[in-house]
Amino acid sequence: DAKTTQPNSMESNEEEPVHLPCNHSTISGTDYIHWYRQLPSQGPEYVIHGLTSNVNNRMASLAIAEDRKSSTLILHRATLRDAAVYYCILRVVSISNFGNEKLTFGTGTRLTIIP
Amino acid sequence: NAGVTQTPKFQVLKTGQSMTLQCAQDMNHEYMSWYRQDPGMGLRLIHYSVGAGITDQGEVPNGYNVSRSTTEDFPLRLLSAAPSQTSVYFCASSYYMGPGELFFGEGSRLTVL
Repeated sequence: DAKTTQPNSMESNEEEPVHLPCNHSTISGTDYIHWYRQLPSQGPEYVIHGLTSNVNNRMASLAIAEDRKSSTLILHRATLRDAAVYYCILRVVSISNFGNEKLTFGTGTRLTIIP
Repeated sequence: NAGVTQTPKFQVLKTGQSMTLQCAQDMNHEYMSWYRQDPGMGLRLIHYSVGAGITDQGEVPNGYNVSRSTTEDFPLRLLSAAPSQTSVYFCASSYYMGPGELFFGEGSRLTVL
């Protein structure tokens, strides 16, 4: 299974942009890059995903390196509600991978927002 | 549309007791999985299923059983609870094909005394 590496923790000031990095040097061509976040005492929630191109949605942006070996989740203007643990995972979903869907999460990056 | 529903939300067991954590989804997702999360740690995969009648082990399967008789339900059974199984359990589901974003339940907090 392809693995990801993230910093254990990061801090950011409120109302400033936050760039959360993720390394995935063993990524394969069919792996989607997923980001999830887990607010305190809640289940994880989906944030964004991408394959090759940069992606934007209402929550965040995902910047993917040209070689796809790293990606960055960008929160454009951090608020106190963005304080959470952020997980980067790889997911390949194809008929050729049938029966090998071990989606593993690491420990993620704990983001602290400073008021 | 309820999404992923887990019951119970809280449970206290004595060592050796058995119980079943229920997980149901109403999104017609083929893929379902169970994770456990211990304090200060990330999610660890227990078991997963890619469709009715098909299950497989994750990273930490010992002490847990699963079955998938319908698309909607994926119960997690503890046959003889141990204190080491004290944890918060999350169920997740997704479509199997395509990007397959995971939808998580709210979690079930289990304490084994």
